[in-house]
Amino acid sequence: AQKVTQAQTEISVVEKEDVTLDCVYETRDTTYYLFWYKQPPSGELVFLIRRNSFDEQNEISGRYSWNFQKSTSSFNFTITASQVVDSAVYFCALSEPPGNYQLIWGAGTKLIIKP
Amino acid sequence: DAGVIQSPRHEVTEMGQEVTLRCKPISGHNSLFWYRQTMMRGLELLIYFNNNVPIDDSGMPEDRFSAKMPNASFSTLKIQPSEPRDSAVYFCASSLYQSNQPQHFGDGTRLSIL
Repeated sequence: AQKVTQAQTEISVVEKEDVTLDCVYETRDTTYYLFWYKQPPSGELVFLIRRNSFDEQNEISGRYSWNFQKSTSSFNFTITASQVVDSAVYFCALSEPPGNYQLIWGAGTKLIIKP
Repeated sequence: DAGVIQSPRHEVTEMGQEVTLRCKPISGHNSLFWYRQTMMRGLELLIYFNNNVPIDDSGMPEDRFSAKMPNASFSTLKIQPSEPRDSAVYFCASSLYQSNQPQHFGDGTRLSIL
């Protein structure tokens, strides 16, 4: 069965610290997609990244980076030099074979960045 | 580019009233999703449309909920009659139906049923 686990319910760090949000997934398929979304206190859901199962290259976008490791079924998200504006709930999600519209969502990690 | 547009942003109404939530997907997207988010249950997919046709409504909680997509640029989610337990944030999302393109979400409608 498909499942996404975000074991960290809440993380609190001081501004400028680096922080890593963990995401572990379960799937029987060899083709799948992983996503990260951000939900700031204002409530909207913002798409951050999509990664397919055949692309294990890490991705960097500014202060954000993602580490995809199929061997450990993990797709972790790191924020470098965190800022107060990074405070949000972050969701990891999984979808399976192309055309499968269902997103399997993790429970989310609430990230608090203290000034 | 305009994102997914939902209205209203907030709705407060009394139990028993009809509630209509509206969504305009991103132009060119052919898949549309309605979600409900609560603290207890997280994000739940209510219904999925592809090319304006409802494909999966298994997440619609009860017959009090209905959704329509009369054209590619508009969808509604209706609750009639509303109950306090329907209070939640309702999101609409759209995507391109190919290669697992990401779903892009609207700002949501925060619904409170008194």
